[in-house]
Amino acid sequence: KNQVEQSPQSLIILEGKNCTLQCNYTVSPFSNLRWYKQDTGRGPVSLTIMTFSENTKSNGRYTATLDADTKQSSLHITASQLSDSASYICVVSAIAAGNKLTFGGGTRVLVKP
Amino acid sequence: GAGVSQSPRYKVAKRGQDVALRCDPISGHVSLFWYQQALGQGPEFLTYFQNEAQLDKSGLPSDRFFAERPEGSVSTLKIQRTQQEDSAVYLCASSLQRILSKNIQYFGAGTRLSVL
Repeated sequence: KNQVEQSPQSLIILEGKNCTLQCNYTVSPFSNLRWYKQDTGRGPVSLTIMTFSENTKSNGRYTATLDADTKQSSLHITASQLSDSASYICVVSAIAAGNKLTFGGGTRVLVKP
Repeated sequence: GAGVSQSPRYKVAKRGQDVALRCDPISGHVSLFWYQQALGQGPEFLTYFQNEAQLDKSGLPSDRFFAERPEGSVSTLKIQRTQQEDSAVYLCASSLQRILSKNIQYFGAGTRLSVL
């Protein structure tokens, strides 16, 4: 079964600090990997999308990496801000699945002043 | 509106009651998706439409769940004889094109369903 596992489940960081979230997946054959940010009570918002040939993608203070060989991805948040408090969800799609996405359980990030 | 709109935002139903959840996708978006998100979990795929055609309904948990998109725009997710385990946030997403590798899905804020 295609799966996406994220770690840690939650973390607390101080404003201005950096943090890295991890994602491991078993989805095959791999098409692309996305990171979404979901604020409480809102729908997920796309941060980055990477295909097999891309190993890094940035969006402002968010940088995602992808190692398709080890099937791992990370999301690095630089100089965290209070508005970064949210759930970050790793999402992977398989080639045969078209637009069907497999979501991880998310990492809940809380940024404290 | 500029984004995906879902209504109602909150729905409380008595066990056994039928409910209907509405999704207005972004105008012109071909693809529409429904997801179920349990508390503290990531969304799980329910069903997918391309225009008015329901191409994939493999994620619907039982025959009590039914979705339609009769004119290829607005979609309704209907749950019959609701059970407590149906309590979740139901998310709708739309995307501009059909099956493309980097097709971005835009999500609505969801409908939080509570079955008592």
